[in-house]
Amino acid sequence: AQSVTQPDIHITVSEGASLELRCNYSYGATPYLFWYVQSPGQGLQLLLKYFSGDTLVQGIKGFEAEFKRSQSSFNLRKPSVHWSDAAEYFCAALWGGYNKLIFGAGTRLAVHP
Amino acid sequence: DAGVIQSPRHEVTEMGQEVTLRCKPISGHNSLFWYRQTMMRGLELLIYFNNNVPIDDSGMPEDRFSAKMPNASFSTLKIQPSEPRDSAVYFCASSRSEAFFGQGTRLTVV
Repeated sequence: AQSVTQPDIHITVSEGASLELRCNYSYGATPYLFWYVQSPGQGLQLLLKYFSGDTLVQGIKGFEAEFKRSQSSFNLRKPSVHWSDAAEYFCAALWGGYNKLIFGAGTRLAVHP
Repeated sequence: DAGVIQSPRHEVTEMGQEVTLRCKPISGHNSLFWYRQTMMRGLELLIYFNNNVPIDDSGMPEDRFSAKMPNASFSTLKIQPSEPRDSAVYFCASSRSEAFFGQGTRLTVV
């Protein structure tokens, strides 16, 4: 069955440090891949998406993600984290033909000043 | 476009009452998803529709839950009868390629 795994439940980084959040998907076919961010009490906002083509995709708020087929991964990165980036981040995958959007468990990011 | 619109934003109800959550997707989107979010279980897909047709409702926890999409611009999620363990935030999302989420309905069943 299709699944999305985010191995890190909580991550804490210092402001200005670099960030990488991990995401892996299972199931043979390559899905469409997404990263969403959720601030407390809010809905989910799309950061970036990968459908095909260039495996390094740029998103909003200075985030980028790299798709690696060999590792079934789609890790989210940011070179310098800001305090306002503290939130919960969700990786999601959608397999064509099923149109079923599956989310990982989320990674809660805390940013120290 | 105003985005995905959910109502109500907050709902407090007594155990045993019927609860109806509403969603208006973005115009032109052909898929609609209902999710439930709790601290314990995270974000769970309850059901999704393609072109108004329910495709997969395997995430619906019990027969007490039902969802409809009578037309492309409206969907409901109904819980009857409601129980305290149904307390959660319920999100609706619609998509054509990427999904856009509503602000959610925070349901509290006392």
